[in-house]
Amino acid sequence: GAGVSQSPSNKVTEKGKDVELRCDPISGHTALYWYRQSLGQGLEFLIYFQGNSAPDKSGLPSDRFSAERTGGSVSTLTIQRTQQEDSAVYLCASSSYPAVAGGSYEQYFGPGTRLTVT
Amino acid sequence: TQLLEQSPQFLSIQEGENLTVYCNSSSVFSSLQWYRQEPGEGPVLLVTVVTGGEVKKLKRLTFQFGDARKDSSLHITAAQPGDTGLYLCAGAPGNQFYFGTGTSLTVIP
Repeated sequence: GAGVSQSPSNKVTEKGKDVELRCDPISGHTALYWYRQSLGQGLEFLIYFQGNSAPDKSGLPSDRFSAERTGGSVSTLTIQRTQQEDSAVYLCASSSYPAVAGGSYEQYFGPGTRLTVT
Repeated sequence: TQLLEQSPQFLSIQEGENLTVYCNSSSVFSSLQWYRQEPGEGPVLLVTVVTGGEVKKLKRLTFQFGDARKDSSLHITAAQPGDTGLYLCAGAPGNQFYFGTGTSLTVIP
């Protein structure tokens, strides 16, 4: 079956422009996660959705970052007025149940979107 | 400050050697997971440990969860070039999911 897909795979944008990153989770997965990863580093948790709602948005690094999920499926991460420090790989994952609050459910990751802000 | 600290950060060894990667925290986790990530791809789950003191084996990989459920280790026996990758521990003490700082392993043929 299809895994998690993300688009675009690469995005180069100028400082100050807005960007939208898309994630298509595995069909039927209710939980969806966004992470940011700098080169060769660990993952920074940004936000997770249970259905269409995001119980905790405190992982978003600034108010320039927002995310939404519609129809319990596709999610979009939007970065407004991009800065050079936003350059990173943005990873999306989904799971059948939330892996937070002590849960141990496997997260399935997409290949990521590499964002470069010039 | 990272919730999950991994050591070492980088490790380069010869094929056939053994190695151990550590994941430490001051917080208690009800479970911890280990993932491996290869370049250009997302992380892939290797194992989940849920009981303090638990030991799980996956072929040449041995995972241990500390008695106090604050730390974990990954031991690889007779490393092979195919083991090369970024190893990440992860867990969720609350409403956010934390990944460790990562250990980049290179196994030289």
